[in-house]
Amino acid sequence: ILNVEQSPQSLHVQEGDSTNFTCSFPSSNFYALHWYRWETAKSPEALFVMTLNGDEKKKGRISATLNTKEGYSYLYIKGSQPEDSATYLCAPSNGTYKYIFGTGTRLKVLA
Amino acid sequence: GAVVSQHPSWVICKSGTSVKIECRSLDFQATTMFWYRQFPKQSLMLMATSNEGSKATYEQGVEKDKFLINHASLTLSTLTVTSAHPEDSSFYICSARTGGEHQPQHFGDGTRLSIL
Repeated sequence: ILNVEQSPQSLHVQEGDSTNFTCSFPSSNFYALHWYRWETAKSPEALFVMTLNGDEKKKGRISATLNTKEGYSYLYIKGSQPEDSATYLCAPSNGTYKYIFGTGTRLKVLA
Repeated sequence: GAVVSQHPSWVICKSGTSVKIECRSLDFQATTMFWYRQFPKQSLMLMATSNEGSKATYEQGVEKDKFLINHASLTLSTLTVTSAHPEDSSFYICSARTGGEHQPQHFGDGTRLSIL
């Protein structure tokens, strides 16, 4: 079973601050990794699909990097806004093609 | 685009009844659909994977006879919790994917199931 850890579990930041979270996973047999944003009372929304070591993806103020050799991915949010408040989930997959979800990082951006 | 509708959003029923949850992809054809269960403060736990027209693949520890999954078309999958008991109370959420394994999943809003 793929052991996925996300840290921190939760954090509060002030509007305008930049922040980042970590997703750690076993590096062996890595296949791909997905990041999702899950706002309260909504469905999880796909942010990024990452496959190659060194990948860097960007969507507006949000970006993500991937290190498959050491088994981690970072998600960065630049200039956080209240609308960024959500739980951010990562889901890596190994050679079985199953995506295993972490417990998420719950972000609260204070206005 | 890529909208998934899940119904009902919440359901409360008596112990022993069966509950059906529907998952529909509204604007795309879903080659694969997934069913997850989430316990409080835990991650989404994959229950089963289903491909249209074939039997679902259940994860270890998930009872096939308890959680019946039907994927009758490219836009509809159903999860039926049979003879539900209080321990089946949970949050259930479906997702759908079109294309290969790299493609992201598109999620429904989830169903909160409470068994009295």
